[in-house]
Amino acid sequence: NAGVTQTPKFQVLKTGQSMTLQCAQDMNHEYMSWYRQDPGMGLRLIHYSVGAGITDQGEVPNGYNVSRSTTEDFPLRLLSAAPSQTSVYFCASRGSGGQTQYFGPGTRLLVL
Amino acid sequence: KQEVTQIPAALSVPEGENLVLNCSFTDSAIYNLQWFRQDPGKGLTSLLLIQSSQREQTSGRLNASLDKSSGRSTLYIAASQPGDSATYLCAVTYTSAGNMLTFGGGTRLMVKP
Repeated sequence: NAGVTQTPKFQVLKTGQSMTLQCAQDMNHEYMSWYRQDPGMGLRLIHYSVGAGITDQGEVPNGYNVSRSTTEDFPLRLLSAAPSQTSVYFCASRGSGGQTQYFGPGTRLLVL
Repeated sequence: KQEVTQIPAALSVPEGENLVLNCSFTDSAIYNLQWFRQDPGKGLTSLLLIQSSQREQTSGRLNASLDKSSGRSTLYIAASQPGDSATYLCAVTYTSAGNMLTFGGGTRLMVKP
């Protein structure tokens, strides 16, 4: 099993550009979520999903969109990138019966 | 606002020492608590998960305890090794938050040979 995969590993954007961070899991997990990690701020929840077709906002959702059309995939969209979105982004998943969260390797995003 | 705090922020110890990392949380109505390890430039690896009804969990040289009434958890690492050097993160799941994680700021551990 690949677990939780994220692409790309690293991305540089200019202010105002849009992009999609990809996240996929092959464990048939219902719960998926996106976090950002910033120095001095720790990890903060952006958006999460409790199943296909169901998403909700976390602590810092502004500037990001998500959708969950399949169980496997949970992409995160930046509509108009801003320097404040420079961060490391982590995707995580867990099964409905289990409670352990599994994290992807992260995407480093630099917005100039 | 639910908050999770980890003290100390950084810790440097000689190899072989037993050490304790601390985690405190403001809201005792937790669902579970997880300890993670993060190596530089990498993702998070789950080390131990403690249910709200449990007092402790053990895995190898690691032991995590939970005291809900006082809002505290500790991660005990026995006989530390240089390979234990990493950042250790505590995260709490609250039933009111869709079962998602609220993280502490982490403790950066350096074990010197």
